[in-house]
Amino acid sequence: AQSVAQPEDQVNVAEGNPLTVKCTYSVSGNPYLFWYVQYPNRGLQFLLKYITGDNLVKGSYGFEAEFNKSQTSFHLKKPSALVSDSALYVCAVRDRGQAGTALIFGKGTTLSVSS
Amino acid sequence: SQTIHQWPATLVQPVGSPLSLECTVEGTSNPNLYWYRQAAGRGLQLLFYSIGIDQISSEVPQNLSASRPQDRQFILSSKKLLLSDSGFYLCAWGQGAWGTEAFFGQGTRLTVV
Repeated sequence: AQSVAQPEDQVNVAEGNPLTVKCTYSVSGNPYLFWYVQYPNRGLQFLLKYITGDNLVKGSYGFEAEFNKSQTSFHLKKPSALVSDSALYVCAVRDRGQAGTALIFGKGTTLSVSS
Repeated sequence: SQTIHQWPATLVQPVGSPLSLECTVEGTSNPNLYWYRQAAGRGLQLLFYSIGIDQISSEVPQNLSASRPQDRQFILSSKKLLLSDSGFYLCAWGQGAWGTEAFFGQGTRLTVV
């Protein structure tokens, strides 16, 4: 069965510092991996995805994520955090070997950036 | 461009009342459609997904049901709401290729009282 784990409920960073939001996954085959951001009482907005190729994926708003197959991880990163980055970040996975399946999401990590 | 509409944005319903949440997609054809529920501290739970008209898979057995009467319309229903049905409901769509992301509506905050 597919699953996603986000081990941290909350991450706190100061503005200007680098940030990392962690995500690990479990699928029977090879994964498609996604990151979304959610602001209060809003739907999820797509940030970036890993399909194949370069393990470092760049996305919206200066975010990037690194796929690590041996560690089954897809951590989200940004070199310099902004207060406006404060939101819920949700990781998702789909097993590319299983047609007809939907995205499976993690519980989310609340990022709080202080000024 | 494609857009997804979900309504209402908020809803307060008494226990035992029926429910109907509607989601429509514009600008694409034959989308995959999804209903998720988001509860505090529990992440997004997939409720239903559909790859075509009248083709709906249920992921979690409960007192909710889904229907897809038209290609780009997806409806979440209940005959009798429970207190535990309270939550944030999200509709999403995606293309057929599995490497593509899902796009979400703005969500419906349902409170059952």
